[in-house]
Order: sequence, then structure tokens, then C-alpha cells
Amino acid sequence: DAKTTQPNSMESNEEEPVHLPCNHSTISGTDYIHWYRQLPSQGPEYVIHGLTSNVNNRMASLAIAEDRKSSTLILHRATLRDAAVYYCILRGNAGNMLTFGGGTRLMVKP
Amino acid sequence: GAGVSQTPSNKVTEKGKYVELRCDPISGHTALYWYRQSLGQGPEFLIYFQGTGAADDSGLPNDRFFAVRPEGSVSTLKIQRTERGDSAVYLCASSRGGTSGRVNEQFFGPGTRLTVL
Repeated sequence: DAKTTQPNSMESNEEEPVHLPCNHSTISGTDYIHWYRQLPSQGPEYVIHGLTSNVNNRMASLAIAEDRKSSTLILHRATLRDAAVYYCILRGNAGNMLTFGGGTRLMVKP
Repeated sequence: GAGVSQTPSNKVTEKGKYVELRCDPISGHTALYWYRQSLGQGPEFLIYFQGTGAADDSGLPNDRFFAVRPEGSVSTLKIQRTERGDSAVYLCASSRGGTSGRVNEQFFGPGTRLTVL
């Protein structure tokens, strides 16, 4: 699977929106963009995924650039419980496993 | 419903010993994955089962690591002659499997923290 690049860490204030960026300039046409997050002392959990169009679910929104070389995970109102490491992962035809990078550690200030 | 469970939650062993880590996937999930996570890093893939068979074991670091899933549900990760470098959190995940691997959500357990002294 192609590689992704994310900032090591970000800070947000509680109740404010958060935009977590991900660059994936070598994405292929069949790669899906997935986001998982890992809360402290827990296993990762699925957040959202998309292919070309923007996606919304109860947890977050995913905005995908028109050329698909970048995407942004949007948390509309950050809460303290959203403090976690967020992983942007591309899933293609190379296999069913998830290939995690370093992720972005999101810190939420009260 | 019940999620993925892993036992034990913590395991401390001595260098050279043998350990077994167990994973109970979500009922009905045919795909099962093992990952390993070292401190400060993202999880690293070890092995993937589709049903009873290992569909991809390319992530196993060496032949001291072995995993089984004899009845297509519970899986056991086995580590022989443990080394200090094996210390990590071992995570198990399951998914519906099938041909839609690129979109199927993986559900993770809480992990087993292995410490090799």
C-alpha cells in the first residue's frame, strides 16, 4: 500500500472543530482512505473511510481532495474523549491487513 | 454485543520461555488479524487468517512466532524462546472478511501486554 504522511501531533481546544491532515501523494486509483484512532491503553478503532467523495458519519467527516493526494479528517466539536492517536491508512489490493504509520497524536485542552 | 477479547491482558515471562496469547474474535467474523505494537509506534501486522487458514503470514518476524486458528474462531499466537525484544502489546482484530477486504472495518481487542525479562 502507498505511504501516508501525517503531523506528529496537534492540539485543539475542547468544543472546537479539529482538522487532521494526511498526505498520500502516491495513492493509486483503487486505494481506499481509512482513518482509525487509538485511545490511551486501548486497541485502535475504526473512524471512517472513503474512496473519492467526502463522507460523513456520527463520529467524523472525511474530506478528500479532488486529486486524492490528500485528505482531512474533521472532528466537528472536539471533546476530551477525542484525545487519541489518529492514523490515516490506505487500503488497496496488496492485502487485507492495515499498514499503520506513526499517526497524529491529538491533544484536547479543556 | 461482545467485542474482540484477548487473554491474558498482561503477561510477564522470562527470556527463553514459551508463551501463548489468545484471541476471541467477534462471532461470525471469518477474518482474524494479529498485530504487534511497540511503545510509541503504530501497530505492525503479523499474520492474517481467513477461516482456519493463514492467508498471509508475511509479518511474522521469524520462526519463533507461530499462530493457529483450528476451528475458524479462537486464535492463539505462540512465541517460542522469547527474547527481550519481543516485549510489546500484541493486538488482535477481526472483520467480516470476504472479498471486500479493502473496505471491511477491523474491530480490535484491548491487546495483551507482553513483558520479557
